[in-house]
Amino acid sequence: DGGITQSPKYLFRKEGQNVTLSCEQNLNHDAMYWYRQDPGQGLRLIYYSQIVNDFQKGDIAEGYSVSREKKESFPLTVTSAQKNPTAFYLCASSIGGAGETQYFGPGTRLLVL
Amino acid sequence: AQSVTQLDSQVPVFEEAPVELRCNYSSSVSVYLFWYVQYPNQGLQLLLKYLSGSTLVKGINGFEAEFNKSQTSFHLRKPSVHISDTAEYFCAVRVLGGNTPLVFGKGTRLSVIA
Repeated sequence: DGGITQSPKYLFRKEGQNVTLSCEQNLNHDAMYWYRQDPGQGLRLIYYSQIVNDFQKGDIAEGYSVSREKKESFPLTVTSAQKNPTAFYLCASSIGGAGETQYFGPGTRLLVL
Repeated sequence: AQSVTQLDSQVPVFEEAPVELRCNYSSSVSVYLFWYVQYPNQGLQLLLKYLSGSTLVKGINGFEAEFNKSQTSFHLRKPSVHISDTAEYFCAVRVLGGNTPLVFGKGTRLSVIA
């Protein structure tokens, strides 16, 4: 089955700890995205990558980092600099072209202990 | 820059009644328009999208939306809702001619009451 997988489904972070959220796709899509979702705020873009070994900051990149070493993988690290990391994180991917659909993974819920 | 305004944060409606979820956008350039649905604790699923052509777009699950360029709107409608339509709905825009990310509205929570 083609699709996007995110792991883990739930993740707990201690104060001062970095955590990494996994996102893998087998759709052969060039572009991948990370969004953060908070209640009543919609989806806000953290980072995106249009091609391997290249990525751009979104609207709320502070406290986050990414890498894109392989086409199918786009992991997101939530660093200790992100003071309010509790949220639902969604990964998406799309083939090239503005009219193309962005497909979403099932999400990872991050909670701070 | 583009922006999307979803005018209602919550919409309660009785089962089998019609519903309209409103979306307005702002952009200095032409855009593509999308509606997504999110069920609790899940990712987003595409309902429909407008790229060009007929301004009335039909999507999955009996939903449709109408693009109105003069009013910069893209309202979502369904003539008769079911309990299973209870979810959050997001309107989004994307600029033509590139692979820039979608810009989302804040969402409308549709609650269908039996």
